[in-house]
This record gives sequence, C-alpha cells and structure tokens, in this order.
Amino acid sequence: AQKITQTQPGMFVQEKEAVTLDCTYDTSDPSYGLFWYKQPSSGEMIFLIYQGSYDQQNATEGRYSLNFQKARKSANLVISASQLGDSAMYFCAMRDGNSYDKVIFGPGTSLSVIP
Amino acid sequence: DSGVTQTPKHLITATGQRVTLRCSPRSGDLSVYWYQQSLDQGLQFLIQYYNGEERAKGNILERFSAQQFPDLHSELNLSSLELGDSALYFCASSVGGRVPDTQYFGPGTRLTVL
Repeated sequence: AQKITQTQPGMFVQEKEAVTLDCTYDTSDPSYGLFWYKQPSSGEMIFLIYQGSYDQQNATEGRYSLNFQKARKSANLVISASQLGDSAMYFCAMRDGNSYDKVIFGPGTSLSVIP
Repeated sequence: DSGVTQTPKHLITATGQRVTLRCSPRSGDLSVYWYQQSLDQGLQFLIQYYNGEERAKGNILERFSAQQFPDLHSELNLSSLELGDSALYFCASSVGGRVPDTQYFGPGTRLTVL
C-alpha cells in the first residue's frame, strides 16, 4: 500500500542556512509523482515542487530543491537560504498509477526559522 | 492565491446540525478534491470528482456527501454533526488526467462544532 513517512515532527534552522526535510515513500508502482506543500500558520496549503518518478533531474524551484533518491525511495526537500517566512508545516505527498486519483499525504514536518 | 475559492471561511454550528461547504475550482480544472485536516488525524482525503462524476472515495463518513455541479463547483454536505467533525476542510482542484496533475488548494473552511 502507498505510504508517506516524514520522520521529523519538528525542525529548527538558523535564518540564511539551508535545511533538509526528509520524506520517504512506499509504492509498488514504477510510475508515481511526489509533491511538497507548505502550510503556514494562516492555514492555506501552498504547492512548492513536484518530482516525477521518471524525471532524470532533481526538481528545483527557486530556493526549493528536491533530493530524489529513487533506490532509497526518498524525496527530501531542501530549502536554501532559509527566511523567517519559511516557518510553516511542510507536507510530502505522493500519487501513483495504482490509485491515480488519490494523493497520499505524510504527517508533516514543522519548520521553525530562528533569526 | 491559488485560484481555488472556498466559502465560508469560518463556520460555527451545534451538534446534530447540517452544513454545506462550497468550492469553486481554478479556471480550467475539472477535478475537485475534498480533504479534512484535524489535529489528531492529519490531512485525510475524503472524495474526488472529475467533471461532475465521483472518481475516488477516501475516508468519508456516511453522514458526509458531496457533489460537483455542471459549472464544476462542488459542495460538501456534512450532517448530524458531531464534536469530532470540527476541523479544517480543504477543497483542491487539478486539471485532471494529465501528469503531474498538481492539486491546488483553496484557503479552507474552518468548521467548529459546539
């Protein structure tokens, strides 16, 4: 069955430093997509970045990049040059071909950026 | 702003009551998804519609129902409300059927059942 694991319930990072948020996934389908979302304290869910299982390159989007290690089934989010506004919950999510219409979300990691 | 709208933003009601949450997807999106986010359960997928038809069902209670109308807006109906139904309810939309089919979320409706 599909599963997303985020083992870090809470993380702290100094402003301007880089931080890595872990995500591991489990699927038997060779075709899948991985998503990261940010949820600030205001509550909205903001799409950050996407990685497809067949993508040759790691996805990047501004200060966000995805460290995709297919063999390890991990898709860690790297945020470079952290800003105070990066303080939020971060969710890793997956959609695969077995149940294309369902997106499974992990439990989330709370990131706090310290000035 | 994701382009997905949800109304109302906040809703306070009593146990046993019925409420309707409304969602308008982004222009051009055919798929609508409903999620429930509570502190103890995390983000739970409830149901998905594609172009008016139910496509997938998640952990949706029998007291809850949804539909997607011809203009593609969707409504989530919650009845016989219980204290445990208090949560943030999200609607998300996507193009539908085209990889990566990224979901974009609305601002959510915060439901409080007293």
